[in-house]
Amino acid sequence: SYVLTQPPSVSVAPGQTASISCGGNKIGRKSVQWYQQKPGQAPVLVVYDDSDRPSGIPDRFSGSNSGNTAALTITRVEAGDEADYYCQVWDSSSDHYVFGSGTKVTVL
Amino acid sequence: EVHLVESGGGLVRPGGSLRLSCAASGFMFNTYDMTWVRQAPGKGLEWVSYSSNSGTYIYYADSVKGRFTISRDDAKNSLFLQMNSLRAGDTAVYYCARHGLDGSGRYFDSWGRGILVTVSS
Repeated sequence: SYVLTQPPSVSVAPGQTASISCGGNKIGRKSVQWYQQKPGQAPVLVVYDDSDRPSGIPDRFSGSNSGNTAALTITRVEAGDEADYYCQVWDSSSDHYVFGSGTKVTVL
Repeated sequence: EVHLVESGGGLVRPGGSLRLSCAASGFMFNTYDMTWVRQAPGKGLEWVSYSSNSGTYIYYADSVKGRFTISRDDAKNSLFLQMNSLRAGDTAVYYCARHGLDGSGRYFDSWGRGILVTVSS
């Protein structure tokens, strides 16, 4: 089965840039999504199809995807960005949706 | 405004059954693919099951295949998850999620608040 690998945690100072990686075999050939989940809340889609943003998501959130690594970048980080972030893909070889293990972003 | 409201959760003994429902409103339910995702306490997100908008295509995670059944009633704007032979490892918050229509459609653009299922003796 397809595996997505994320770092467990990322720490960033307010106003700085956070980057979260999502590794997978030839992930550049897949469409990657990113979700933000705050404690006690449902996930929220922040990036889809590698780099598109749903309406209402600030342009501080951006995504990229190439080779074996996708990434979510958060610029000008705010305290409110502190959350768990999950990457997700569709694996057509198994007809399964797959989530990464999640990355906890801590704003220092 | 899109609303997804899960119901039917609770405490069930190992080996028991439970049927989750997801009531949808604020959009044309019969146009959208739908998915169930779960999250065990303190753990990450796990995809459970998918239904295409017509119900023609249905997929399950290996961990629930043969035990869970997804279905939908477009006339009632509702999605269901019948869960049989429940195990302690099925304990989780279960989310109903709507797929997007733009681009690949392989993403979940709206989520319910989730419903807790606890499997314990």
